[in-house]
Amino acid sequence: EVQLVESGGGLVKPGGSLRLSCAASGFTFSSYSMNWVRQAPGKGLEWVSSISSSSSYIYYADSVKGRFTISRDNAKNSLFLQLDSLRAEDTAVYYCARVVVGATLPYPADYWGQGTLVTVSS
Amino acid sequence: SYVLTQPPSVSVAPGQTATITCGGNNIGSKTVHWYQQKPGQAPVLVVYDDSDRPSGIPERFSGSNSGNTATLTISRVEAGDEADYYCQVWDSGSDHPVFGGGTKLTVL
Repeated sequence: EVQLVESGGGLVKPGGSLRLSCAASGFTFSSYSMNWVRQAPGKGLEWVSSISSSSSYIYYADSVKGRFTISRDNAKNSLFLQLDSLRAEDTAVYYCARVVVGATLPYPADYWGQGTLVTVSS
Repeated sequence: SYVLTQPPSVSVAPGQTATITCGGNNIGSKTVHWYQQKPGQAPVLVVYDDSDRPSGIPERFSGSNSGNTATLTISRVEAGDEADYYCQVWDSGSDHPVFGGGTKLTVL
């Protein structure tokens, strides 16, 4: 069974940092591109970042470029998102999501974790 | 960047057909995917590549895409279909995927 479990969320002050993790199991993690998608309270989905299976291709939304860093450790079946220079508008549930097998682009996502909440507030 | 426009809400009686649209400039030339998100849950992919269904998704869910509008159709709507639905495409101009604003489906 495919499982994605996010962790690392919490309350942080504006300008602070957090590192989100996503532990993957039930599939060959190193064969799949992965995404981070966020959802602000009561709002819609917003794609944040994508990384290819071997980390060769990385994409960021303009809203987080230069502040967030995506990475992965295929040996540990883990996906990461480093969040720096956090702003109030980064407050959201952050989901990690697996891209469908064989996709030439890093979408769509066929499995999603349950998300981890990041709250940026003083 | 590429903008996807969805109606904020759609209402339908049980057993009827729900139609959720996703508008975009020449969206028919793009590949559209659809997600369902129930309250407090993660999104679920219900249609990919315009009209294909992942395994486990009922045949009641179907999609089409032409011109400036992509459509998700849910036949014989059930109470359990009540959810938010999002369309998604790849924005080649910005080199990343984009979501529509979402449509809340209410089953009357």
